Amino acid sequence: GAGVSQSPRYKVAKRGQDVALRCDPISGHVSLFWYQQALGQGPEFLTYFQNEAQLDKSGLPSDRFFAERPEGSVSTLKIQRTQQEDSAVYLCASSLLRQLNTIYFGEGSWLTVV
Amino acid sequence: GENVEQHPSTLSVQEGDSAVIKCTYSDSASNYFPWYKQELGKRPQLIIDIRSNVGEKKDQRIAVTLNKTAKHFSLHITETQPEDSAVYFCAADSGGGADGLTFGKGTHLIIQP
Repeated sequence: GAGVSQSPRYKVAKRGQDVALRCDPISGHVSLFWYQQALGQGPEFLTYFQNEAQLDKSGLPSDRFFAERPEGSVSTLKIQRTQQEDSAVYLCASSLLRQLNTIYFGEGSWLTVV
Repeated sequence: GENVEQHPSTLSVQEGDSAVIKCTYSDSASNYFPWYKQELGKRPQLIIDIRSNVGEKKDQRIAVTLNKTAKHFSLHITETQPEDSAVYFCAADSGGGADGLTFGKGTHLIIQP
């Protein structure tokens, strides 16, 4: 596609509910990143994929967060038993190769946990 | 890991004046320093980047300088226009073989007409 596509754009979840956020990266991009952006803050790294391999998940805040990219293209970020502190924008980004390549962001999925 | 500090958090300038945003980083192995512009409710968009083998890069009204010895880099916007109003983020790659970018906390740039 023309850019990184994310869905849903907006999600309101009740506390304790599970959510799944989808990312469709730019076609052919090897690297895929998930970031979390709280209101008024910069994006914070969550996890990184190179093709289907999750090479770094050091930024995932707890074991309630899980990400996958089974076929090396579309990725899903799943949050189990959501809590209010999970409310944020979840940004997906992709780049052609790994390091030192331009990273392109999606519009983000705005998650509000009530 | 990498730590990126960004100043100021808010910057208000008169239209036509210049704006400067400064960042410092901690990891001397970092080699890539992009700047992103984010309008309210929109995605961060890359506006300029610099790699460690150069000290300065310019693209029309936007320039970035890098001082690797001091571990700081700056964004310069000249002849500011209303459409420059946004939040700007600096970032540094994690260096040392790690993945992902570390972002600063952002600067809210306000262009006064």
